[in-house]
Amino acid sequence: AQSVTQPDIHITVSEGASLELRCNYSYGATPYLFWYVQSPGQGLQLLLKYFSGDTLVQGIKGFEAEFKRSQSSFNLRKPSVHWSDAAEYFCAVTPRGYNKLIFGAGTRLAVHP
Amino acid sequence: NAGVTQTPKFQVLKTGQSMTLQCAQDMNHEYMSWYRQDPGMGLRLIHYSVGAGITDQGEVPNGYNVSRSTTEDFPLRLLSAAPSQTSVYFCASNTGDTGELFFGEGSRLTVL
Repeated sequence: AQSVTQPDIHITVSEGASLELRCNYSYGATPYLFWYVQSPGQGLQLLLKYFSGDTLVQGIKGFEAEFKRSQSSFNLRKPSVHWSDAAEYFCAVTPRGYNKLIFGAGTRLAVHP
Repeated sequence: NAGVTQTPKFQVLKTGQSMTLQCAQDMNHEYMSWYRQDPGMGLRLIHYSVGAGITDQGEVPNGYNVSRSTTEDFPLRLLSAAPSQTSVYFCASNTGDTGELFFGEGSRLTVL
């Protein structure tokens, strides 16, 4: 079955530290890949997306993600976390040619001052 | 630029009551979908539509109905609310080219 796994439910980092959020997917072929962020009480905002081409993609708010086909992963990174990055982050995938996003369970990020 | 608009933002129902969550988009997107968000489970697809007059079931369709009479609107109906339907509901739309979704702000539903 198609699935998306975010292994970390909660992550806490200090402000200024680097961040990596993990995402693994299970599909037969390379899907379209997304990271969304949700601040408390808010809707979801697209951080970045991968369709094809360069496997390192840049997004908004200083985030980037790297697609690794061999590992079926699409990990999200940020070199220096800000307190305003505290939120829940969702990895999502959709098979090419379809339009039904499958979401991971999310990773909640807390940032210590 | 409104994007995707959901109403109401909050609703409390009693078990057995019915209601409709409204969703409208002004981006002329073909695809629209409804998700529910529950703690620790991410977002799960309830129903989706690939165009006016065409709908299909997602992962968790039981207890919900949808229709798509226009491109703009995609209401979600709860026929007989149950406590298990307490959740936050998100409507989304997209063009169909890449699967990138545009979300509404969500509707928080509590069923007592």
